[in-house]
Formats: sequence, C-alpha cells, structure tokens
Amino acid sequence: QKEVEQNSGPLSVPEGAIASLNCTYSDRGSQSFFWYRQYSGKSPELIMFIYSNGDKEDGRFTAQLNKASQYVSLLIRDSQPSDSATYLCAVGGNNRLAFGKGNQVVVIP
Amino acid sequence: NAGVTQTPKFQVLKTGQSMTLQCAQDMNHNSMYWYRQDPGMGLRLIYYSASEGTTDKGEVPNGYNVSRLNKREFSLRLESAAPSQTSVYFCASSSGLGNTEAFFGQGTRLTVV
Repeated sequence: QKEVEQNSGPLSVPEGAIASLNCTYSDRGSQSFFWYRQYSGKSPELIMFIYSNGDKEDGRFTAQLNKASQYVSLLIRDSQPSDSATYLCAVGGNNRLAFGKGNQVVVIP
Repeated sequence: NAGVTQTPKFQVLKTGQSMTLQCAQDMNHNSMYWYRQDPGMGLRLIYYSASEGTTDKGEVPNGYNVSRLNKREFSLRLESAAPSQTSVYFCASSSGLGNTEAFFGQGTRLTVV
C-alpha cells in the first residue's frame, strides 16, 4: 500500500458547487496533514494544514481529519474557475513528508 | 524575501553527462528536501537533510547525490544522467522535519536525451 493515496480521477465541478477531495494514509504514527495546490507548470503551495481530528475551516476551504480511519479530506465551497488546479495531499511523520499523486480539479464556468 | 530559489529553471543533458542542481533558502529553515515530479507519480522524495551536516535517502535516491553545504544551501548532483531522470525537480525547505509546512522552489525542468 502506498504511503499516501489519492485515488479519485479528475474532478469536474460547476462554478459555485462544492468540490470534495479525499486522501488516505498508511502510517498510523503520522502527525501532520497538509493540502497543497499546484497550478500547471508551477510549484506546490500550501492551502491548508490540520493536526487534530475534526474540521478546520479557512475561508472557502475546509480540511477534515479522522485519524482512526486514517483519512483526510478537503472541501472547496463556492468553487471558482481560479480553483482549477491539482491538489496534493501530504502527510508528515517519522521525519518525512510524503505526498499523494494529486487530484486534478476543473471548475466549469 | 526570495524564499526558496532553484537554479537552473531548465536544462537539457545528454545521457552520461553530469550536473548539479542548486537550491538556497533564506528562511533560516533547518530541513531541506529534493523531490522529483513525474506525470501520474506525484512528488517523490529523493533526499532530505534534517539539519546542516546531515543528509538521508528518500524514496528514490539511486543515481543522485546531495550536499548540504550550509544551512542555506542544498544541492543535488546527477553524476551520469540517464533518460529515466527526465523529470521536474523541486527543492523545498521547512522549519521542522516532516511536521511543518514545506515551501517549494520554482522547480527545474530537466530533460535527458
């Protein structure tokens, strides 16, 4: 099993809708969880981090963490065309930061 | 405040040639990383450095060497480039190792022909 898995294919959402992205991880000792956004041809940039079980909201973004299920998700409310990008889940622990393959989100005007 | 700076941005090498990718950060971070990104593979860790003077292998270290020259600089060397090393390379830094936000450089697009 890969350390961090993001299995969903490209996600197309209408403008104004909610985009939902999921990520699972294998290491139960993981302590920190991040969501990065990467525009085509650019470097990843952090949009959310979460360390504790539950929800964390920042503007239109909500990260959800469930350590018992080894699951972290990202919700993007009121999706905008500028949200069209690849979203990378990253999990930290054991002195390393591991990334998933990413999920492409396309917001359709 | 430049953050993380990588050079060069683009490079074409012939098989067997060597080169060094340079990375410098001005955020006084302890930890630095080198990742490669290939289509469908996500970001894969090549090497990392927890602090000045230490380096460790990541997920895909074969064919690469690194040097943590000082706290600011972390270089990646390809001794004998192979077409399989064609990729986009990202350097990143963070204050802690694995548990804090990583900041990325702009990337180096390397093609080995």
